[in-house]
Amino acid sequence: QQQVKQSPQSLIVQKGGISIINCAYENTAFDYFPWYQQFPGKGPALLIAIRPDVSEKKEGRFTISFNKSAKQFSLHIMDSQPGDSATYFCAARGGGGGADGLTFGKGTHLIIQP
Amino acid sequence: DAGVIQSPRHEVTEMGQEVTLRCKPISGHNSLFWYRQTMMRGLELLIYFNNNVPIDDSGMPEDRFSAKMPNASFSTLKIQPSEPRDSAVYFCASTPGGRPYEQYFGPGTRLTVT
Repeated sequence: QQQVKQSPQSLIVQKGGISIINCAYENTAFDYFPWYQQFPGKGPALLIAIRPDVSEKKEGRFTISFNKSAKQFSLHIMDSQPGDSATYFCAARGGGGGADGLTFGKGTHLIIQP
Repeated sequence: DAGVIQSPRHEVTEMGQEVTLRCKPISGHNSLFWYRQTMMRGLELLIYFNNNVPIDDSGMPEDRFSAKMPNASFSTLKIQPSEPRDSAVYFCASTPGGRPYEQYFGPGTRLTVT
């Protein structure tokens, strides 16, 4: 059972454009929703995160939008740059019973064209 | 801070051999997680420890997999016997006690079982 669904699988955006990645979850017990960025040959790195009692969080060019009723959240990258080219994973933490591990989406391979 | 340290970075072994992956979490972190990443299944949580105690090992695929954390600065993931389908990148992540939602990943160990 895939508890966090991520789309699209791949995305090509022109430099300066807006990159949008979407995720949907099923388990309403999730209590924390981070986004991770992964470059080839590296481990995932925490980018930005949000709790379900907040509808939006912005850090620099990165914004998370969260819709609790729809059980969806998305990552927006404003003024996308070639250095943003990487794989992005949404994730969800919790799920009841003291579960601290993260459930990840399948990832989005983002390419920013110069 | 050196970050999470994993060794070896690459491991090639033959089917049936025992494989041991090692992880040193960030000093002061009190939770440790093992994840596996494959193209087909993405990032999957295998097991995690709080204060050196295994909390949830429901993600461990089979009895061939075992993990230990003998002290706060060291953990191992062992596969015995290894099989070709175990080929993947294995990540270790640790979390600070004061901010349990932030997971810091190591660089991973790329395991190839022939």
